[in-house]
Amino acid sequence: AQSVTQLDSHVSVSEGTPVLLRCNYSSSYSPSLFWYVQHPNKGLQLLLKYTSAATLVKGINGFEAEFKKSETSFHLTKPSAHMSDAAEYFCAVISNFGNEKLTFGTGTRLTIIP
Amino acid sequence: EPEVTQTPSHQVTQMGQEVILRCVPISNHLYFYWYRQILGQKVEFLVSFYNNEISEKSEIFDDQFSVERPDGSNFTLKIRSTKLEDSAMYFCASRGRRNTDTQYFGPGTRLTVL
Repeated sequence: AQSVTQLDSHVSVSEGTPVLLRCNYSSSYSPSLFWYVQHPNKGLQLLLKYTSAATLVKGINGFEAEFKKSETSFHLTKPSAHMSDAAEYFCAVISNFGNEKLTFGTGTRLTIIP
Repeated sequence: EPEVTQTPSHQVTQMGQEVILRCVPISNHLYFYWYRQILGQKVEFLVSFYNNEISEKSEIFDDQFSVERPDGSNFTLKIRSTKLEDSAMYFCASRGRRNTDTQYFGPGTRLTVL
């Protein structure tokens, strides 16, 4: 079984300040973990992924995430928020043992305050 | 950069009507998926498809749903008799080889059932 919990449904930060979006996962096997971003009326764009290589993963647009097995977490961070980062962010997990489906979290809406 | 495309972007239909949602996966990808997102909710897996057959499906994917790869490029989702609760954004995704796990998503089709 696999599941994802996104701890915050809504996060607001001021432009230029750090962003932290939290994600905890549960997986029976070694997981692959993903962050996707969804801008209004747009599809899902892959931000970054972890697939058992380096635990600190860098993605597009200055985002990065750290896989912490001991904490079963995969939090998304960015040092300095930009107005264009305002969007919905989804954490997702897939177990690396014959499992096809991505299981998504409920999403975190990121608002950037000018 | 190759991308998944979906048509139409928005489909409005009457309850009880059949709809076909179309997707063109990334060329030379082998694995295909449909997900849906009811407004305000998380993205949910519907079905995965490989080698011209369904490899996994969720409880949502009942007898009213079917998928097909009618030719070498298209991947379709058919809903035989739409219900109000089928209103959602439907995302198509594709994946390359077995030992890669990144699914690339299309922009989605918004289905509205009246």
